[in-house]
Amino acid sequence: DTEVTQTPKHLVMGMTNKKSLKCEQHMGHRAMYWYKQKAKKPPELMFVYSYEKLSINESVPSRFSPECPNSSLLNLHLHALQPEDSALYLCASRPRTGTNEQFFGPGTRLTVL
Amino acid sequence: GQNIDQPTEMTATEGAIVQINCTYQTSGFNGLFWYQQHAGEAPTFLSYNVLDGLEEKGRFSSFLSRSKGYSYLLLKELQMKDSASYLCAVEGNTPLVFGKGTRLSVIA
Repeated sequence: DTEVTQTPKHLVMGMTNKKSLKCEQHMGHRAMYWYKQKAKKPPELMFVYSYEKLSINESVPSRFSPECPNSSLLNLHLHALQPEDSALYLCASRPRTGTNEQFFGPGTRLTVL
Repeated sequence: GQNIDQPTEMTATEGAIVQINCTYQTSGFNGLFWYQQHAGEAPTFLSYNVLDGLEEKGRFSSFLSRSKGYSYLLLKELQMKDSASYLCAVEGNTPLVFGKGTRLSVIA
């Protein structure tokens, strides 16, 4: 298995909803990442998990809450989002930080109404 | 801080060769990546350079000069499906930072 999977593919939510995005990989990678990408902009790093521990939080608002329950799974819990949070949310993984390939999942297209 | 520059847009003809340049200034250097991204899709890994020189992979090659803070991606025998954004990304003392991307249009 050489891919990163993300669910759901699309998500529409209201500002009062609570939802979660899920990312999974079975390549034995120990570094996992969440990125946010707005249209026609590059991906922006949100969080980095290394060996299931949060190692970097790029000053992301607390309405985004990451979780890494095990080495294969990465979640992003969403609560009280704003319309400007609408974007493509990308998960990525690497064997470990500093290694030479970083694979992206297909992303979740999030729309906040 | 980190600063990555690449051209915003380029146009090239089917069958031709195109070179997309990337210059960077970073704190530390642990590698430079090139990704291809079609509209509405996730980035796809193309290449990784950490040492100076040219890395070739089929129709795609990537070059790095660390002393000049410079890289390029070379695409040969262009095909219409190569129309996409090409993202240069650098890892320094912080995780991967992406440039704004170069939107390549391949025309017949």
